[in-house]
Amino acid sequence: AQTVTQSQPEMSVQEAETVTLSCTYDTSESDYYLFWYKQPPSRQMILVIRQEAYKQQNATENRFSVNFQKAAKSFSLKISDSQLGDAAMYFCAYRSFQGAQKLVFGQGTRLTINP
Amino acid sequence: EAGVTQFPSHSVIEKGQTVTLRCDPISGHDNLYWYRRVMGKEIKFLLHFVKESKQDESGMPNNRFLAERTGGTYSTLKVQPAELEDSGVYFCASSPLSGTPNEKLFFGSGTQLSVL
Repeated sequence: AQTVTQSQPEMSVQEAETVTLSCTYDTSESDYYLFWYKQPPSRQMILVIRQEAYKQQNATENRFSVNFQKAAKSFSLKISDSQLGDAAMYFCAYRSFQGAQKLVFGQGTRLTINP
Repeated sequence: EAGVTQFPSHSVIEKGQTVTLRCDPISGHDNLYWYRRVMGKEIKFLLHFVKESKQDESGMPNNRFLAERTGGTYSTLKVQPAELEDSGVYFCASSPLSGTPNEKLFFGSGTQLSVL
């Protein structure tokens, strides 16, 4: 079975600075998807970024980018120019390439932005 | 377009009582998923509907939990009788039945269940 581990329960960063959230996973599959979801106080889960394992290029969405290291099974999220609105719980998630959208989540990292 | 709607947003019940959570997926979404986050731990998969059929219920913790999706539209998740360890946030998510593996999953805001 696949597992996802987020070793940082809490992180904080100064506004406008850069922060990196860590995620590691374990799988025997070669094709899969990895995700970062953001959960603000409203509890609405919002997809931040997605990476297909067969793509070597790291995904980027505006200020959000990932460092995907397939051999190391590592998938970190970098937030550049942090903004107050980035404060939230961030969840890393894994999904097999085939089949349904059954996600395996990590424990989450609470990100605080200091003004 | 309305998103995934869940209600109630909060529910406080006593141990032994029954609670029913409801999820209205985005119109036209045949896939419907239930997840929950208990005691600040990781979010875990509970089950998956395709239309009105249970495709995968491997994550259901025990027989106190009953999920239904009559008519393939909204879904309910009933907990009877509720236990203290059932407290947590129950999320619903939906997606179209497009057949493509990269279809986006849309989440609701969850129901915070507190069992006292």
